Amino acid sequence: NAGVMQNPRHLVRRRGQEARLRCSPMKGHSHVYWYRQLPEEGLKFMVYLQKENIIDESGMPKERFSAEFPKEGPSILRIQQVVRGDSAAYFCASSPTGDQPQHFGDGTRLSIL
Amino acid sequence: SQKIEQNSEALNIQEGKTATLTCNYTNYSPAYLQWYRQDPGRGPVFLLLIRENEKEKRKERLKVTFDTTLKQSLFHITASQPADSATYLCAPEDETSGTYKYIFGTGTRLKVLA
Repeated sequence: NAGVMQNPRHLVRRRGQEARLRCSPMKGHSHVYWYRQLPEEGLKFMVYLQKENIIDESGMPKERFSAEFPKEGPSILRIQQVVRGDSAAYFCASSPTGDQPQHFGDGTRLSIL
Repeated sequence: SQKIEQNSEALNIQEGKTATLTCNYTNYSPAYLQWYRQDPGRGPVFLLLIRENEKEKRKERLKVTFDTTLKQSLFHITASQPADSATYLCAPEDETSGTYKYIFGTGTRLKVLA
């Protein structure tokens, strides 16, 4: 059983570029969550998606950030016109239903030059 | 607003002893609470989920309690080993959201000394 797969593991972008982070949930999991983590800080919820639908995006900045989870393919977290403050580790988690444990990938570490 | 507090300082214990980690939450009443382990550079690994109608849950050397009156969860590792050294995260469900969303604490760093 493959776990939650995130890629790339490390991503370097220059200010103003776009960053695309991918997440393939575990097989059979239709709920996907994205979190952001800064060093020495906790995981901050960003967005919760369930196949083709955004359930809760209350933790995601209104500008420059977007997320999708298409019927086919991985979930994508997209950050447009990146700024230095976007540097962080971004984690994806999946679960089969909302009230079941969330399983995490190993994250994408985004660095902005 | 909801607040989660975990021991912010690192916890050092001797191998073989029981480690007890505390998670306190305020201003909400989660129906579920999860505990995770996170190692440096890795994603959190799910350990246990406890529901509000369960006072205690066990898995091998791990035990979690959930006191909805005290608004507290305790996480115990018995017969601790150096391999248990990691950061442990508490994540109560955010029942005010109306969706299945969890709020994560900043974690407690545990170090088990050989």
